[in-house]
Amino acid sequence: ELKVEQNPLFLSMQEGKNYTIYCNYSTTSDRLYWYRQDPGKSLESLFVLLSNGAVKQEGRLMASLDTKARLSTLHITAAVHDLSATYFCAVGSGTYKYIFGTGTRLKVLA
Amino acid sequence: SAVISQKPSRDICQRGTSLTIQCQVDSQVTMMFWYRQQPGQSLTLIATANQGSEATYESGFVIDKFPISRPNLTFSTLTVSNMSPEDSSIYLCSVPDPPRNTFGSGTRLTVV
Repeated sequence: ELKVEQNPLFLSMQEGKNYTIYCNYSTTSDRLYWYRQDPGKSLESLFVLLSNGAVKQEGRLMASLDTKARLSTLHITAAVHDLSATYFCAVGSGTYKYIFGTGTRLKVLA
Repeated sequence: SAVISQKPSRDICQRGTSLTIQCQVDSQVTMMFWYRQQPGQSLTLIATANQGSEATYESGFVIDKFPISRPNLTFSTLTVSNMSPEDSSIYLCSVPDPPRNTFGSGTRLTVV
């Protein structure tokens, strides 16, 4: 059974600081997705990582995938308040099915 | 990218009743997925709705509790039956929208 774990579960950080969210999964997959969810909202797609060594960047966020280590990271550079949200990784399992990670609730403090 | 209309956006229901959630997509899709997000938790896949065949349910979810219809390639419904307070969650539909899946806006269900 595929399991996906994220850490930390909660992250409170100061504006301007850097931090990394980790996503570990238990079985082989080469499809990894990152989503953002604001309170009371649906999921917004951030990154799609489809191969070992894939790296994607958008603004202050950068995501990477290491399929051999079964690990993806979401790195936040110089955090700003607008990045406060819950971040989920999801691993592809079968055709278009996702198994979601536990989520990381990020709060950026001014 | 795909545009999904999900209704209702929220509802408060009495225990023992049922609620049907609708999901309409602006393009034809082979599969539609239904997820549950319990308060403060992650998303759990309930079932995959396939047009022309019965839905495929994940472990821990059964058709009697969560019947699903898929009458065509752009529409699906999920019914939450005989509700209890433990069914209070956000329910989301999702469709393949390569290279990712796109999610509906969600239905926030409160059972009292």
